[in-house]
Amino acid sequence: DGGITQSPKYLFRKEGQNVTLSCEQNLNHDAMYWYRQDPGQGLRLIYYSQIVNDFQKGDIAEGYSVSREKKESFPLTVTSAQKNPTAFYLCASSIISPNYGYTFGSGTRLTVV
Amino acid sequence: GDSVTQMEGPVTLSEEAFLTINCTYTATGYPSLFWYVQYPGEGLQLLLKATKADDKGSNKGFEATYRKETTSFHLEKGSVQVSDSAVYFCALSDLRGQNFVFGPGTRLSVLP
Repeated sequence: DGGITQSPKYLFRKEGQNVTLSCEQNLNHDAMYWYRQDPGQGLRLIYYSQIVNDFQKGDIAEGYSVSREKKESFPLTVTSAQKNPTAFYLCASSIISPNYGYTFGSGTRLTVV
Repeated sequence: GDSVTQMEGPVTLSEEAFLTINCTYTATGYPSLFWYVQYPGEGLQLLLKATKADDKGSNKGFEATYRKETTSFHLEKGSVQVSDSAVYFCALSDLRGQNFVFGPGTRLSVLP
């Protein structure tokens, strides 16, 4: 079955470390997105990519980095510059169409220890 | 820019009660409209959508009608169950499919 897979489900980071969250899709979608969700809050866009080897900053890109070397993959690195990284991270993908909507992964919960 | 407004939660209902979650939007032209549901600890799932005015989206007993006169897309269900407890997000997609805007979400709790 086609879908979007995020791993790991839970991730713990020590102060000063970089960590990378994985997002893979086999839906043949052109566009991929990363969102951050804090407890009881809505979604905030971190980065998005509409084509391989190209990506754009969202509303809260500081302290994060991404790459899009393959259509299927859009990993997110949370760097040590992100001062408050504890959150739930959601990856999504879509075809670029007004009628299609997004398909989401099941999320990664990142905790700083 | 485009925006989506939802009623503030949390909404607490008894089982078998009628549900309405209000959603209004501001956008250029006639966007496509969506409702997503997020169960605890999970990602968002598409619940229903409507792509043009007067369309009704429906799924799992939930319904929403695209009303261009009132720029609204209210979510309704005739009889909620405990298993419907979740956060519900209203969203829109612009005419080119390049700008997707989510509302803040409304938490629903259904008590047995």
